[in-house]
Amino acid sequence: GENVEQHPSTLSVQEGDSAVIKCTYSDSASNYFPWYKQELGKRPQLIIDIRSNVGEKKDQRIAVTLNKTAKHFSLHITETQPEDSAVYFCAAFIPFRISNFGNEKLTFGTGTRLTIIP
Amino acid sequence: ETGVTQSPTHLIKTRGQQVTLRCSSQSGHNTVSWYQQALGQGPQFIFQYYREEENGRGNFPPRFSGLQFPNYSSELNVNALELDDSALYLCASSFPDWDLSVGTQYFGPGTRLTVL
Repeated sequence: GENVEQHPSTLSVQEGDSAVIKCTYSDSASNYFPWYKQELGKRPQLIIDIRSNVGEKKDQRIAVTLNKTAKHFSLHITETQPEDSAVYFCAAFIPFRISNFGNEKLTFGTGTRLTIIP
Repeated sequence: ETGVTQSPTHLIKTRGQQVTLRCSSQSGHNTVSWYQQALGQGPQFIFQYYREEENGRGNFPPRFSGLQFPNYSSELNVNALELDDSALYLCASSFPDWDLSVGTQYFGPGTRLTVL
């Protein structure tokens, strides 16, 4: 099955600096890569996602890049703010047979605890 | 916030007991996936329901079972609870993307289960 590795496990950056979190996946069949932010005691919230037919996607201060050849994808947060402090999870999605719509499975990384230092 | 709701919020059970957790999917979503999130870990896929049928299962024993109802809400049942079952249980609802067979998953707030 799919295996997703995520690094680093913890990351501290000065407010205003950039943060980068990297993930690798093992199954070349994965075609969708979401990133979730989870604050303490709360649900994972989708912050950005990318599909395998796209190399980069940006949404304000957040960007995700995907290298299908190397099977890795990264989250970039620029101009970090204290409210960016949270645990971030990457995930990879393997689709089942095209005839089985809805049969998707997400495999998550182990998470990165990001701390923004004021 | 998503339209996915879960109940109860917290639950305390003793080893050997049985528990039922509930999830209401976001309006328009016909697929519900269940995940177990142990402390400090990423969510682990338990199983998924699509149009009332189980569609895919992770590495969880048969004492983890579920249901999906005609309104697409879902239940997760765990029998013979063990101490290691203590975790946050998350459900996520989605609707397939017909082009790429991808449906973005939106999570509920979770049920924190403690097994003593």
